[in-house]
Amino acid sequence: GQNIDQPTEMTATEGAIVQINCTYQTSGFNGLFWYQQHAGEAPTFLSYNVLDGLEEKGRFSSFLSRSKGYSYLLLKELQMKDSASYLCAVKDSNYQLIWGAGTKLIIKP
Amino acid sequence: GAVVSQHPSWVICKSGTSVKIECRSLDFQATTMFWYRQFPKQSLMLMATSNEGSKATYEQGVEKDKFLINHASLTLSTLTVTSAHPEDSSFYICSATQRVTEAFFGQGTRLTVV
Repeated sequence: GQNIDQPTEMTATEGAIVQINCTYQTSGFNGLFWYQQHAGEAPTFLSYNVLDGLEEKGRFSSFLSRSKGYSYLLLKELQMKDSASYLCAVKDSNYQLIWGAGTKLIIKP
Repeated sequence: GAVVSQHPSWVICKSGTSVKIECRSLDFQATTMFWYRQFPKQSLMLMATSNEGSKATYEQGVEKDKFLINHASLTLSTLTVTSAHPEDSSFYICSATQRVTEAFFGQGTRLTVV
């Protein structure tokens, strides 16, 4: 079966750095996506990786290793507004999105 | 990024009535649209996948006669919750995508059945 794993919850301190990991087992691979979702709101797109390596976008970076079925989202200089759920999703060989359950990130002052 | 508009953003209806939720991709043609529901503090649960011009594919456990999905054009999909009951109260979210791009989400619809 297809499976995406990410930690359920993480806690970090304002101003620090946090890494949210995602491992996947899917039938084929056509890209990995990270989304941010604040409580009561729809998810918003953060990043897209289809080739191995690091994609940097401001305070957020996303890394992909296709051979390991592994990705991480790195958030730097954490702000209180970064408290949210972070969803990892993979497009499989049929271009269907497979979603992880999300990681709830709690930022403490 | 692309814009997906979902309407209404919230609705309250009486038990036994039907509610229609619209999802429109405003500036691109969406080959595929997804419908999700989300309970408080839980992640997205995929309900169905719809491709333009064909019948929706429902996930296991989702009643296709209760949650009617129509994807009549490349820019519009609708979800109708028929004979709604209080247990159908939830946050419903649509997303639209082309094959090789990211999925763009609508704003979500908070349905309360009283």
